[in-house]
Amino acid sequence: GQQVMQIPQYQHVQEGEDFTTYCNSSTTLSNIQWYKQRPGGHPVFLIQLVKSGEVKKQKRLTFQFGEAKKNSSLHITATQTTDVGTYFCAGKAAGNKLTFGGGTRVLVKP
Amino acid sequence: IAGITQAPTSQILAAGRRMTLRCTQDMRHNAMYWYRQDLGLGLRLIHYSNTAGTTGKGEVPDGYSVSRANTDDFPLTLASAVPSQTSVYFCATKEGGARYNEQFFGPGTRLTVL
Repeated sequence: GQQVMQIPQYQHVQEGEDFTTYCNSSTTLSNIQWYKQRPGGHPVFLIQLVKSGEVKKQKRLTFQFGEAKKNSSLHITATQTTDVGTYFCAGKAAGNKLTFGGGTRVLVKP
Repeated sequence: IAGITQAPTSQILAAGRRMTLRCTQDMRHNAMYWYRQDLGLGLRLIHYSNTAGTTGKGEVPDGYSVSRANTDDFPLTLASAVPSQTSVYFCATKEGGARYNEQFFGPGTRLTVL
C-alpha cells in the first residue's frame, strides 16, 4: 500500500537558524498536505499543494511539491520558539485515503 | 459545541473491557475519520465515513468498529480492548467534495489499556 516517509524524525534547531524537513511517497500523489501539531495538541492544517513543482509560502514557512509529485519539503527560516511541534505531511493518491508520514518533531534551542 | 468534541479526554481501561470513544461535530461536515497516533508512526487511519449511513475500513481497522447514524456523531468502539490499543485517538472531519481536502481534528482521547 501507499507509504509516506518523513525525515528527519527529530530536528533540534538553534533559534534563528533554518531547517528543512522532507517527505517522500512510494506512489505518485494527487495532492499533499502539511499539518502542525503543538505539544499536547491536535494536528492543524497548514497548507495543501496540488501542482507539480508548486511552491507556496506562509511567512517564514516555504512548502514545495516535487516535479514527480512523489516528494515534498517544508523549509522554515529563522526558527522561533513558536515553531516547536511536530510537522506532518499527508499524501493523497488517486482513489486512496490520506496517508500521514511519521512526522518531524522540532525542538528549538533558545 | 464549537467544532469537534471528543470524550473522554483520557481513560485507563482494563484489558478485555469494551470501550466507546465519542466524537461529535457541529460543522455539518460529510466525512469523518478516526486515527490513532503512536510515537514515530504518525497518524494511522482506523475507520472512516464519507457520509451518514456509510463507513469504511482504514489502514488499521482490526479490533475496532464504528457507526454513523447521523451527520454529527461518529463513535469508535473497542469490543475487547488489548494493550496494543494504547494510543492517542483523534477524530477528524472533512467537508464533502473533492475541492475541500483539509481535515479538522478534535482534541483527542488518550487511552491506556492495562
